Amino acid sequence: NAGVTQTPKFQVLKTGQSMTLQCAQDMNHEYMSWYRQDPGMGLRLIHYSVGAGITDQGEVPNGYNVSRSTTEDFPLRLLSAAPSQTSVYFCASSPDRRATANEKLFFGSGTQLSVL
Amino acid sequence: AQTVTQSQPEMSVQEAETVTLSCTYDTSENNYYLFWYKQPPSRQMILVIRQEAYKQQNATENRFSVNFQKAAKSFSLKISDSQLGDTAMYFCAFMMWGWAGTASKLTFGTGTRLQVTL
Repeated sequence: NAGVTQTPKFQVLKTGQSMTLQCAQDMNHEYMSWYRQDPGMGLRLIHYSVGAGITDQGEVPNGYNVSRSTTEDFPLRLLSAAPSQTSVYFCASSPDRRATANEKLFFGSGTQLSVL
Repeated sequence: AQTVTQSQPEMSVQEAETVTLSCTYDTSENNYYLFWYKQPPSRQMILVIRQEAYKQQNATENRFSVNFQKAAKSFSLKISDSQLGDTAMYFCAFMMWGWAGTASKLTFGTGTRLQVTL
């Protein structure tokens, strides 16, 4: 099983550029989410989705857009990259839309983004 | 809002020894879950163990066990018989119990880097 697939694994952008981080899961999971990981700050929730067509903001949503047109895909868009968005980004999914402890969260392997 | 605090940025333990990683949290909720995640150098996030707040019994998973003190809002991880493969970053995380139709979200601590030495 592929699980949660994130692409690309590494990316370097210039300030002001736009790009999309891709996340796809093949487990028919309802719940998908994006986290960013910064040194000394742990992981913080950016956006999440409880199903196709439904998205909501997390703890640090500014500067990021998401959409969920299919169950499988949950792309994260940076419209105008800033150096403050340099981070490692993780996508995670769960079978249950509530992402409770009854269902394990499956994480992708991360995308390391540098904004110069 | 919930907060999770890991006060030990780095720890070291010798192989075969036991080590305890600390975690405290703050919440006004009564129903919630607590987790420990492991992140090795490969960057993959791996669930180590989880605890439901309504359960008094401490969770165990092979060499990993927790000491859950609900009144003190403390959730420490004990690793017994440490192995070189346990070298990783360890994150404590909190999740509120979610009602049907809402999504529960993980709140992470800042992590403890554990080094297992020979």
